[in-house]
Amino acid sequence: TQLLEQSPQFLSIQEGENLTVYCNSSSVFSSLQWYRQEPGEGPVLLVTVVTGGEVKKLKRLTFQFGDARKDSSLHITAAQPGDTGLYLCAGVAGGTSYGKLTFGQGTILTVHP
Amino acid sequence: EAQVTQNPRYLITVTGKKLTVTCSQNMNHEYMSWYRQDPGLGLRQIYYSMNVEVTDKGDVPEGYKVSRKEKRNFPLILESPSPNQTSLYFCASSLSIGTAYYNEQFFGPGTRLTVL
Repeated sequence: TQLLEQSPQFLSIQEGENLTVYCNSSSVFSSLQWYRQEPGEGPVLLVTVVTGGEVKKLKRLTFQFGDARKDSSLHITAAQPGDTGLYLCAGVAGGTSYGKLTFGQGTILTVHP
Repeated sequence: EAQVTQNPRYLITVTGKKLTVTCSQNMNHEYMSWYRQDPGLGLRQIYYSMNVEVTDKGDVPEGYKVSRKEKRNFPLILESPSPNQTSLYFCASSLSIGTAYYNEQFFGPGTRLTVL
C-alpha cells in the first residue's frame, strides 16, 4: 500500500502570510494531483503535476513535483480569507496499480482577515 | 449539465441490511472510483474502474462490492453494513486518470451514511 503523508494537518494564519503544504511518500507516483474541498462538497481539482521537478503556478498558488516523483508541495503567497478550505494531495499510481489513487490526510487552512 | 450524481445523499440504516449507493456520470468518462472520507484520514479509495467490466480494489475494499456493467453507472454495494462503515462517500469520474491533460476527477455531491 502506498502512503502519502501530508503536513501540516492544520494551518491557521493571518491574511497576507505565505504558507507551504507538503506531501511526502516513499513511493513513486505517475502523477500527483492537488484538490481543494469546501464543506459539504466534493473535492475540486486545482492542478496535476506529471514530470519530476515540474513547477506549476495558478495565480498565487505554486505547485511543485519532486525530482523523484515521490513528493510535492503547495505554496500560497499572500494568503487571503478566500483561500480557507481543505487541501488534499493525491498520488496516481502507475505500473500494475495504474489508476489507483492515494490521498494525503488533508490540510485544513484557515486564513483570518 | 455535466455532472456526477449520487443517490441517496443521506442514509441511516441498521447493521446487516444490504444497501446500494448509486453513482452515474453523463460525461462519457472511462474512469470511475469510490472513496470514503473520515475525519483525519483524508479520502481513501474503495474501488476503481478503468473501463466497463474492469474493476480493481483500492486501499479499503473490505465490506464493499462494485460493478461496472455500463460506462455511466458505478454502484457501490454494502452487502452487510457495519457501524465502522459509517462515513461520507464520494463517487468520482475522469476521462482518463493517468494522462497529463484529461485526468481531472469530477466528484459527486457525497452520500452521508450512518450504520446503527
